[in-house]
Order: sequence, then structure tokens, then C-alpha cells
Amino acid sequence: TQLLEQSPQFLSIQEGENLTVYCNSSSVFSSLQWYRQEPGEGPVLLVTVVTGGEVKKLKRLTFQFGDARKDSSLHITAAQPGDTGLYLCAGFFSGSARQLTFGSGTQLTVLP
Amino acid sequence: ETGVTQSPTHLIKTRGQQVTLRCSSQSGHNTVSWYQQALGQGPQFIFQYYREEENGRGNFPPRFSGLQFPNYSSELNVNALELDDSALYLCASSWDANTEAFFGQGTRLTVV
Repeated sequence: TQLLEQSPQFLSIQEGENLTVYCNSSSVFSSLQWYRQEPGEGPVLLVTVVTGGEVKKLKRLTFQFGDARKDSSLHITAAQPGDTGLYLCAGFFSGSARQLTFGSGTQLTVLP
Repeated sequence: ETGVTQSPTHLIKTRGQQVTLRCSSQSGHNTVSWYQQALGQGPQFIFQYYREEENGRGNFPPRFSGLQFPNYSSELNVNALELDDSALYLCASSWDANTEAFFGQGTRLTVV
């Protein structure tokens, strides 16, 4: 069974602070996606990373894919209350192309 | 908005009953995947349909079954409902089996 571990599980910070969320596996990803989910809604795709070492930026969010394609991080600069939500990483593992495996998520709360 | 729609949005069933959930995929997408998300967890892959054929299955019992229609919409059927089947059921569509997945808003199933 291929597992995706996310940390931290919960994060509560003040508006304006920076934070980083991590996603790790012992297996290699063919690609990895980050999603954000609001309560009672489906996950919304933020970014897909494919190449080892790849860095993508989406406004205040920076996504990095590890060189070995086994880990990824999401960094948020100057967090705002609107960033509050469940952040999920999900990956297609090499050899399991059809099954998108999700981590358990990081619940982020940004306090005003 | 992703263009993936699910119905119904909420459902309450009694243990032992059967349920059918429906998903309309985004225009141009030929692949539909179903996920179960328990409270506080990441989504778990149930199965995937590609061009009307089952194209991969997660660790779920046979009482979870599905269909994909010629217009690429899909159904998830669950027989002999158990209390542990209570969850948010998510449908995701993509233009191929291992490309970016776009999620619907989910169906919240409660089994009592």
C-alpha cells in the first residue's frame, strides 16, 4: 500500500504569518497535485507538479516538488483568513497510474 | 466551478438499504473516478471508469459498484448499507485516466 503522509495535521496561525505544509512518501510520484477543500464541498485543484525539483507559484502560494519526486511542500506567505481550509496533497504513483492517492490533509485556520 | 455535478447533495438511508449516487462529468472528460471521504480524512479511491469500463478499483467490497454511460456520466451504487458507509462521496472527472482530476461538490450520505 502506497501512503502519503501530510504534516502538520492541524495548523492555526495569525493573519500575516507564513506557513509550510509537507507531503511525503516512500514511493515515487509520477505527478502530484495540491487541492484545497472547504467544508461540505469537493476539493479544488490548486496546482499539479510533474518534474523533480519543480517550483510553481500561485500568488502567495509556492509549491515545490522534491528532486526525487517523493515529497512536496506548500508554502503560504502572509496568510489571510480566506486561506482557511483543508489542504490535501494527492499523487499518482509510478505504476498505479489510475489511482489518485490522497494524504489525510492539513486543516489550516488563519485567525484575523 | 468545475462543471462536475453530483446528485443528490444530501441523503439519509437506513442500514441495509441500497443507494445510487449520480455524477455528471465535465464536458470533454471521458474518465470518472469515485472517492469516499470520511470526516477528518482524505478521500479514498473507490474505482474509476474510462469509456464505460471499470479501469481500476481501490480496497472496497463488491457491494460498491458503478456504471458509466455513453455520455460519460456515472453512477455509484452501494448495496446493504452499513453505518460506516456514512461519508462524503466525491466524483471527479478527467480527460484521461491519470490526468488532473476535477471534483464535484460531493454527496453527503448518512446511514442510520
